[in-house]
Amino acid sequence: DTAVSQTPKYLVTQMGNDKSIKCEQNLGHDTMYWYKQDSKKFLKIMFSYNNKELIINETVPNRFSPKSPDKAHLNLHINSLELGDSAVYFCASSQVSRSYNEQFFGPGTRLTVL
Amino acid sequence: GQQVMQIPQYQHVQEGEDFTTYCNSSTTLSNIQWYKQRPGGHPVFLIQLVKSGEVKKQKRLTFQFGEAKKNSSLHITATQTTDVGTYFCAGRGTNAGKSTFGDGTTLTVKP
Repeated sequence: DTAVSQTPKYLVTQMGNDKSIKCEQNLGHDTMYWYKQDSKKFLKIMFSYNNKELIINETVPNRFSPKSPDKAHLNLHINSLELGDSAVYFCASSQVSRSYNEQFFGPGTRLTVL
Repeated sequence: GQQVMQIPQYQHVQEGEDFTTYCNSSTTLSNIQWYKQRPGGHPVFLIQLVKSGEVKKQKRLTFQFGEAKKNSSLHITATQTTDVGTYFCAGRGTNAGKSTFGDGTTLTVKP
């Protein structure tokens, strides 16, 4: 059983298109995240949701819109895709407490914008 | 805002040599975590350090948290080809907020 799953695994699309990436976790965690990893392997947080509420929104273009229909799902919709959006996008989840916040990552979605 | 710097960005070693990556935060941390990402894979949690001066070991890996809780290191003794990948630290601020990831150290091991 996959703890954190993402679909699709690969996404190749043209500039200007709109696309969505889906994420689901079956760990019962209360917090979910989206990260972007560029070609240099830098891992940058984009968004974080706790119990369906947005708690972290880093400096991300408003073409990116996260949606959390319930605690177990966090989807990412991207409008008007640009070449610079090409990257690997990771979803993660954690059960956050004052002392502990280990994150479990999904397998990643490799987005290529042509 | 909180910044977490990690060095070196790349390290190439001969199999059997030791390897160390260092992590430094601009602010005091409540905890620091280490993750490993194999080539083509996703980050996987290795360990969390919480106490000032804490040292933890996992087989050939030794993790340290500095006395001031602003820096940390991961040391691998006698590297093997299975150690290749990118190692990330992630530091959590003292207000129990989010964790900030370092830029990672990518390790390659020549057999």
